[in-house]
Amino acid sequence: DAKTTQPTSMDCAEGRAANLPCNHSTISGNEYVYWYRQIHSQGPQYIIHGLKNNETNEMASLIITEDRKSSTLILPHATLRDTAVYYCIVRSDSNYQLIWGAGTKLIIKP
Amino acid sequence: DSGVTQTPKHLITATGQRVTLRCSPRSGDLSVYWYQQSLDQGLQFLIQYYNGEERAKGNILERFSAQQFPDLHSELNLSSLELGDSALYFCASSERGNSNSPLHFGNGTRLTVT
Repeated sequence: DAKTTQPTSMDCAEGRAANLPCNHSTISGNEYVYWYRQIHSQGPQYIIHGLKNNETNEMASLIITEDRKSSTLILPHATLRDTAVYYCIVRSDSNYQLIWGAGTKLIIKP
Repeated sequence: DSGVTQTPKHLITATGQRVTLRCSPRSGDLSVYWYQQSLDQGLQFLIQYYNGEERAKGNILERFSAQQFPDLHSELNLSSLELGDSALYFCASSERGNSNSPLHFGNGTRLTVT
């Protein structure tokens, strides 16, 4: 399964868009890109996932490059409650369980 | 609220004891997953069930066991507890268990072994 690379930490001003990058250069054609976040000691929260096309839901947008080697999670109007660790995970049918990296610690500043 | 319910929220017990953690998946979800998260560590996959059958096993110790019942709830049994078993234990569920079926997590059970 493809591994992912994310920045260790990022800051974003409240009310601005938070753009979180993820590299997954060894991704295979049948592997999905998933994003989760975890607010300290709470259960991870599902945000969004996609295969090839860009996706949008009520929480965020997911932009996947055409070659699928990288993606960006966009939180359009960040609030203080978006402060969390964000995980980018590549998942295939042989990886039912999700493999978690270190993630990006996103701090939203007033 | 993810719809996944875990009980109890907190558990304090002594070394050598046995405990059972319970998970009720979201309505309609057939697959259940168990994860362990030690202090400031990433989530470690333990085991997955799909419609009552074990589907995948991760780094689950022999002292730990799990099952999924006909009503789809799941239990994780931890025995001969050691200090190092202190951790957050998360349950997650998904509708189908394949790669296009997101996992939704409960808020965990915090186990403290003294």
